[in-house]
This record gives sequence, structure tokens and C-alpha cells, in this order.
Amino acid sequence: AQSVSQHNHHVILSEAASLELGCNYSYGGTVNLFWYVQYPGQHLQLLLKYFSGDPLVKGIKGFEAEFIKSKFSFNLRKPSVQWSDTAEYFCAVKNPNYGGSQGNLIFGKGTKLSVKP
Amino acid sequence: DGGITQSPKYLFRKEGQNVTLSCEQNLNHDAMYWYRQDPGQGLRLIYYSQIVNDFQKGDIAEGYSVSREKKESFPLTVTSAQKNPTAFYLCASSLRHSSNEKLFFGSGTQLSVL
Repeated sequence: AQSVSQHNHHVILSEAASLELGCNYSYGGTVNLFWYVQYPGQHLQLLLKYFSGDPLVKGIKGFEAEFIKSKFSFNLRKPSVQWSDTAEYFCAVKNPNYGGSQGNLIFGKGTKLSVKP
Repeated sequence: DGGITQSPKYLFRKEGQNVTLSCEQNLNHDAMYWYRQDPGQGLRLIYYSQIVNDFQKGDIAEGYSVSREKKESFPLTVTSAQKNPTAFYLCASSLRHSSNEKLFFGSGTQLSVL
């Protein structure tokens, strides 16, 4: 069965610091990869996604993620965080070759990011 | 405004009681999903529905039931068989149940046991 690992449970940074949140998945075949974000009091929403092509994908609010197939990783990065980036971040993977129950998104356990002003 | 509406925001369940969480969407999406979110556990799939009158079990379906009689509605019943129901429940939808469709989420229902 596929799994998604997010290594950091809680990350605390000061404003302007650089951010990298780790995400590793277990499946060796073709995958679609996502980062979702949940800001305090708001709905969970899509931050960025990777399906194919350029392994460096850019999302909203200056976030980017790099797909490294050899490392089964899809780490999220931002060069300079802001207080408004305080949120919980979820990595998710989906196998595009499967329908039914195997075609569902699998989420990591999430990483809470706290940015100190 | 298009979106997903979950109600109630907070729900309390007595021992032995069944409770139903509402999820309505006006996005004209075919697929709908129920997730359970526990602190430090991420999101786990309870049930999903790819189309009206069809639904499938997810990873943690025991103690839950669903129906999909209308495209826009996908209610979740937490039955008395669910021994640890306290959690945050998220409903989501997507245009289709395919690999490149992003999920739209509701604001969630916090269920607690009295």
C-alpha cells in the first residue's frame, strides 16, 4: 500500500527565514503529487500539484515544490516566509493509473508551520 | 458562491446514539468524499462516491455509513458501532474521481462524545 511521510510535525520559523518541508512517498510508479494547506479557520485548499513535465512546480503565494523521482520526494519550499504562512501543510499522492479505491488521494500526517513575526 | 457546506459546525453524541453529518455542494461535482482528521494523524478516507447512487468504502469505514441519493448531497452517519468517534470530519468534492482533479473541502464538523 502507498504511504506518504512528512518528517516534521511542527516547524517554527522567524519571518524571512527559508522554508523546506519534507515529503516522501512509497510508490515507485507514476504518481500525481499535491500540497494542500489549511490556514487557521479556513478550508483546506490546494497549494500546488505535479502531474508531469518540469519537476519544479510553482504554486500560490510564492511556494514551490520539487519532484525528485530517485528520492521519492516532493519537498515544499519558500525562500522567505511571512507570518501569514502560519498554517498546516499536507502532502498527498495519487496513483493516476488506478480507479476505484486505489485511485484516491493518500495524505501525509501534516506539518504545522508557525511563523514568528 | 459555489462551494461545500458542512453542518453542523459542532456536534455532540451520546453513547449509543447515531448522528448524521451533512455535506452539500453546489459545484456540480460528480465525486464526493468524507475524511476524518485526528491530531497528528492527517486525513484518512472514510467513504467516497464517484457518482449518484454509488459509494465505496475508504480506509476506515467501520462504524460509518453514507448515502448518495442526490448529486449535491453526501451525508455521513456515525453509528454507535464507531467506538472512537471524536474527531474533525471533512467533506470534499471533485469534478470527477480522476487523478488530476483537485479536491474542494468544506469547513468541517467537530464531533465530540458526551
